[in-house]
Amino acid sequence: AQSVSQHNHHVILSEAASLELGCNYSYGGTVNLFWYVQYPGQHLQLLLKYFSGDPLVKGIKGFEAEFIKSKFSFNLRKPSVQWSDTAEYFCAVNDPDSNYQLIWGAGTKLIIKP
Amino acid sequence: NAGVTQTPKFQVLKTGQSMTLQCAQDMNHEYMSWYRQDPGMGLRLIHYSVGAGITDQGEVPNGYNVSRSTTEDFPLRLLSAAPSQTSVYFCASSPLAGLTDTQYFGPGTRLTVL
Repeated sequence: AQSVSQHNHHVILSEAASLELGCNYSYGGTVNLFWYVQYPGQHLQLLLKYFSGDPLVKGIKGFEAEFIKSKFSFNLRKPSVQWSDTAEYFCAVNDPDSNYQLIWGAGTKLIIKP
Repeated sequence: NAGVTQTPKFQVLKTGQSMTLQCAQDMNHEYMSWYRQDPGMGLRLIHYSVGAGITDQGEVPNGYNVSRSTTEDFPLRLLSAAPSQTSVYFCASSPLAGLTDTQYFGPGTRLTVL
């Protein structure tokens, strides 16, 4: 069965620091990969997604993620964070046993100090 | 568009009580789903629907019922609430029945069962 690991549950950074949030999954077949974000007081929303093609995916607000198949990873990056990036970030991967189910990581709470 | 709406935002129940969490979307999406989010865990799928009249179980369906009589509405029923159902519940919808499309989330319902 598929599982998703987000190793950092809490991350605290200063503004302008670089960000990398880890996401690893266990199933090695064809995968669809997502990063969702929940800003304080707002709905969960899609940050970026990967289905096929260029393994470097660009999303909203300057975020990007790189799919590395050999490492079963889909890490989220941003070169310079802002206070407004304070949020909880979730990685999700399709369940290979279902066409309709995503498997979610536990989330990473990111706090940016002004 | 209102997007995905959920009511109530907060609810406290006593063990054994029943209630219905409401979810509605005005985007004419075929796919709707219910998740629960618990501390330190990712979102877990409870039930989903790929269209009016069609529902199926997700990862954690026990203790919950759903129905989909219209495209717009997808209520979640707790038959006999238990403390283990204390959680935050999210409803989501997507244009397509598969998982290659973006999911749009509601604001969540925070449920406490005493």
